[in-house]
Amino acid sequence: GAGVSQSPSNKVTEKGKDVELRCDPISGHTALYWYRQSLGQGLEFLIYFQGNSAPDKSGLPSDRFSAERTGGSVSTLTIQRTQQEDSAVYLCASSVVGQGVQPQHFGDGTRLSIL
Amino acid sequence: GIQVEQSPPDLILQEGANSTLRCNFSDSVNNLQWFHQNPWGQLINLFYIPSGTKQNGRLSATTVATERYSLLYISSSQTTDSGVYFCAGLNTGTASKLTFGTGTRLQVTL
Repeated sequence: GAGVSQSPSNKVTEKGKDVELRCDPISGHTALYWYRQSLGQGLEFLIYFQGNSAPDKSGLPSDRFSAERTGGSVSTLTIQRTQQEDSAVYLCASSVVGQGVQPQHFGDGTRLSIL
Repeated sequence: GIQVEQSPPDLILQEGANSTLRCNFSDSVNNLQWFHQNPWGQLINLFYIPSGTKQNGRLSATTVATERYSLLYISSSQTTDSGVYFCAGLNTGTASKLTFGTGTRLQVTL
């Protein structure tokens, strides 16, 4: 597609449930990033995938959060046993790597609300 | 990691006015981006500007890499410019993630 695609755009779920958020990066972008933005806050880094390298998971806030990227393209961010503090907008970005430093392009995000 | 400071935190302008937003970095960056987050939460890429000056319509940006700051200029502001402006930086030699500032919240009134 033309840009980074995320789904769903909105998700409301009950505390304790598991959720899966999906990101489809720009075709040809080998780097993929997940960030989240809590209400009224800036964006914080969660996880980074680059090609076949081990992901940088240094930003994941707890072991309830995990992410995978299958086939070097689509990524899924999973939050298990959701808590109210997980409510945020989850943003995915992708970029080209290997042609110098390149900008990151962001999707429209998934707005997650935990009741 | 890199610290990113943005100023001012809040700004109210009358339509047609000009403004300058500033972003300071605690360390050198080789990736610097400006974003506009509109009232619907979408994060729009404005500029990729690790150094130099770029212009796009009523917006322009200048980064002085040696002094670790970047400026975003908005001229002849319009109500559609309202939202939050974020800058973000990264030094690819030491990190993979963009570090975001806390943003400048701009409101343009009639």
